[in-house]
Order: sequence, then C-alpha cells, then structure tokens
Amino acid sequence: GDSVTQMEGPVTLSEEAFLTINCTYTATGYPSLFWYVQYPGEGLQLLLKATKADDKGSNKGFEATYRKETTSFHLEKGSVQVSDSAVYFCALTTSGTYKYIFGTGTRLKVLA
Amino acid sequence: DTGVSQNPRHKITKRGQNVTFRCDPISEHNRLYWYRQTLGQGPEFLTYFQNEAQLEKSRLLSDRFSAERPKGSFSTLEIQRTEQGDSAMYLCASSLARVENTEAFFGQGTRLTVV
Repeated sequence: GDSVTQMEGPVTLSEEAFLTINCTYTATGYPSLFWYVQYPGEGLQLLLKATKADDKGSNKGFEATYRKETTSFHLEKGSVQVSDSAVYFCALTTSGTYKYIFGTGTRLKVLA
Repeated sequence: DTGVSQNPRHKITKRGQNVTFRCDPISEHNRLYWYRQTLGQGPEFLTYFQNEAQLEKSRLLSDRFSAERPKGSFSTLEIQRTEQGDSAMYLCASSLARVENTEAFFGQGTRLTVV
C-alpha cells in the first residue's frame, strides 16, 4: 500500500539555521504531496503542497520540491525561527483512494 | 464559516463507558474523514464519507466504533465500551470532491482520555 517515510526527530537547531526534513514516499498511483504542521495541542495545518512532478510548494519561507525520480518531497527553510518549533508531517493522497496517508512526523525545536 | 469544528475538545471517560464526538466540516465540503493520532505518531486513517455515504473503513475501526454522517453535513464518531487503548486524539478533516487531490482541512481534534 501507499506509505510515507520521514526522518526521525527530534531535530534541534539554533535560530537562523538551515532546516531540511527528509520525506520519501511509495505510491501505486500518481500522488499529490503535502506538508502539514502541528503546534502543541492543535490540529494539523497545511503548510504547502505539490500536485505534480517538479512542482515546488512554498509558504512562510518553507519550500519542498516534488521529485518523482527519487520519490521524495524534502522540506527546507533557509533560516528557522523559534516560532517554527512544531511537529511536521509529510503526507500524500492519490486519485481513487481519496484518503490521506501521513508519515510519523518530525519534531523541530528551534533554540534562541 | 471559519473551518472544521470539533466538539468536545477534551473528553475524560471511565473504561467501559460510551462516548460520542461531533465534527462540523467546512460547509461546502462533501468529503469528511476521521483520523486517530496517538502520542508521537502521525494521524491514522479511520473512515471516510462522501456526502452521507461511508465509503471506506479502516481495519483499525473495530466493532466498537461507529461513524455517521446522516445528512451529509456534520458527522459523529461513537466509541462503545471504551478501553484504555482508545485514548488518543481524534481528528476530523474535510475536503472538496470536485477538486482533484486537494488538501484536507483539519479540525483541532478531540482528545480522549480513558481512565
């Protein structure tokens, strides 16, 4: 079945450091890919998405590029802030299944 | 309409009791999902509705779990004879069927604690 694999956390960085969170996927169809963010005690918020190969999703300084050849969708940010501390989830959905498959999440902690 | 709404936000119940959660999706969204999230894990799919029809149920959804969406609007998730292993965050999400591979919008969740 379809699946998403994320790098394990926690990831601890100093403010203004460069962030990469790896995400790879397995899908039988042609997936759309998402990054969601979850702050403590809250639900999930969409951070960015990409629906076809080579698309780049971006939002709030975060970016991720849909790489079909490597089945990856790595999340990057050039300069993290303390307010970026949260759990980040990579997810996919495919036409016909309609459900969203999530990775296990990567906790990010940014220190001032 | 400000988004997906879930009630209650928190529920503490004794083992063996029944609980019911409610989800109000974004008004024009015809797809509705229930997920379960345990500590340190990603959301796990439970079930999915398109309008009032329940189209898929995960094997995680035992006979003690039932979900309804009677008029294709709000949905309820009931857990009968709760067990300690049911303690989790229950998340509801909705999306728009006519937009292919669109994102799902999540509510803030209902945190269930079974004591």
